[in-house]
Amino acid sequence: GENVEQHPSTLSVQEGDSAVIKCTYSDSASNYFPWYKQELGKRPQLIIDIRSNVGEKKDQRIAVTLNKTAKHFSLHITETQPEDSAVYFCAASRGSSYKLIFGSGTRLLVRP
Amino acid sequence: EPEVTQTPSHQVTQMGQEVILRCVPISNHLYFYWYRQILGQKVEFLVSFYNNEISEKSEIFDDQFSVERPDGSNFTLKIRSTKLEDSAMYFCASKPKYPGRSTDTQYFGPGTRLTVL
Repeated sequence: GENVEQHPSTLSVQEGDSAVIKCTYSDSASNYFPWYKQELGKRPQLIIDIRSNVGEKKDQRIAVTLNKTAKHFSLHITETQPEDSAVYFCAASRGSSYKLIFGSGTRLLVRP
Repeated sequence: EPEVTQTPSHQVTQMGQEVILRCVPISNHLYFYWYRQILGQKVEFLVSFYNNEISEKSEIFDDQFSVERPDGSNFTLKIRSTKLEDSAMYFCASKPKYPGRSTDTQYFGPGTRLTVL
């Protein structure tokens, strides 16, 4: 069935270091891969997304890479700051009106 | 910037009672969704709604659940007879549809925390 695996479940980095979160999806028809940041008690906020016709996308300190052959996609945060501390969820979708299938989340802690 | 809104922010109910969770999607959006998140777990899809009908639902969305768009602005989720395991944060999301251009971004509301006692 449709599934998204996400690793690691927790990640602690020193301020200024990079953080990488990895996801694997099972549905080969997936073509849209968003990343959401969720702070405690708040709504998931889209931070970056990528579509299957693109291998990499960057927005300032955040980048996402996609390997369709391996069904892997990753989130890269460079020069991490304490305010990056949150839970990050990857998701996959077939696009259009289709649902988002979420990963289990990664709790990122950036130590000052 | 327009946002999806949800009411109430927190609902406490007794097991077996009916609850209605309300959402106001962003005004030009045409696709609507409900997701839930049990404390400490991932976000799970419940149902999607387009053109005044359900387009997809998950196994979680059984006969106890229903959705409705009673007017041009509200989108509701009803749970007829709540169970303890329905306790979760319920998120509404919406997505626009632009002529000649597709977009896949779903915008989430702040959530309603449902506590079933």
